[in-house]
Amino acid sequence: GQQVMQIPQYQHVQEGEDFTTYCNSSTTLSNIQWYKQRPGGHPVFLIQLVKSGEVKKQKRLTFQFGEAKKNSSLHITATQTTDVGTYFCAVASGGSYIPTFGRGTSLIVHP
Amino acid sequence: DAGVIQSPRHEVTEMGQEVTLRCKPISGHNSLFWYRQTMMRGLELLIYFNNNVPIDDSGMPEDRFSAKMPNASFSTLKIQPSEPRDSAVYFCASSSDRGNYGYTFGSGTRLTVV
Repeated sequence: GQQVMQIPQYQHVQEGEDFTTYCNSSTTLSNIQWYKQRPGGHPVFLIQLVKSGEVKKQKRLTFQFGEAKKNSSLHITATQTTDVGTYFCAVASGGSYIPTFGRGTSLIVHP
Repeated sequence: DAGVIQSPRHEVTEMGQEVTLRCKPISGHNSLFWYRQTMMRGLELLIYFNNNVPIDDSGMPEDRFSAKMPNASFSTLKIQPSEPRDSAVYFCASSSDRGNYGYTFGSGTRLTVV
């Protein structure tokens, strides 16, 4: 199936610092979705990117889709303790719309 | 909307016993997915249904696992017989419009097989 690499696996930051997680694929993607899972919780849909070079913002979160549609990033500006959790990318390619999830990046924010 | 509803939230069972996990998708969603999450393997897609019909069950680990969706508002995932390596969190998710608005996950069932 579709292979997707997500880095880093873990990230510790001080509250107020920025955070970025990256999602990379060896094949061209149809779309990419991002999810957040709080500790002990379930994945919650954040956003979907479809177009090459697309950039979307949600308050302090910025999502970007690469020009070649093979990679994506999620950037959080000035992290807060409420940002703690694991951020997953989910990718679809070819004719399938069924997503394959990355292993996630766990964000730990120290107050 | 109550979201995707899963039951039970926690299940502890002995090896060899049958386990049935239940899911009620969001009304109007036409696709339903069963995922398993473990530290070792992350989030794995087990099976998905479209309009109550199983489309792809290639992720089902082995014949001990089976899933059904008798109607648009209910699905089950059954493990018989259960084994300790089946211990994981099992999520059900549903979507509409080929997932273009994302997949809505239930709260999951944490299964422990001892």
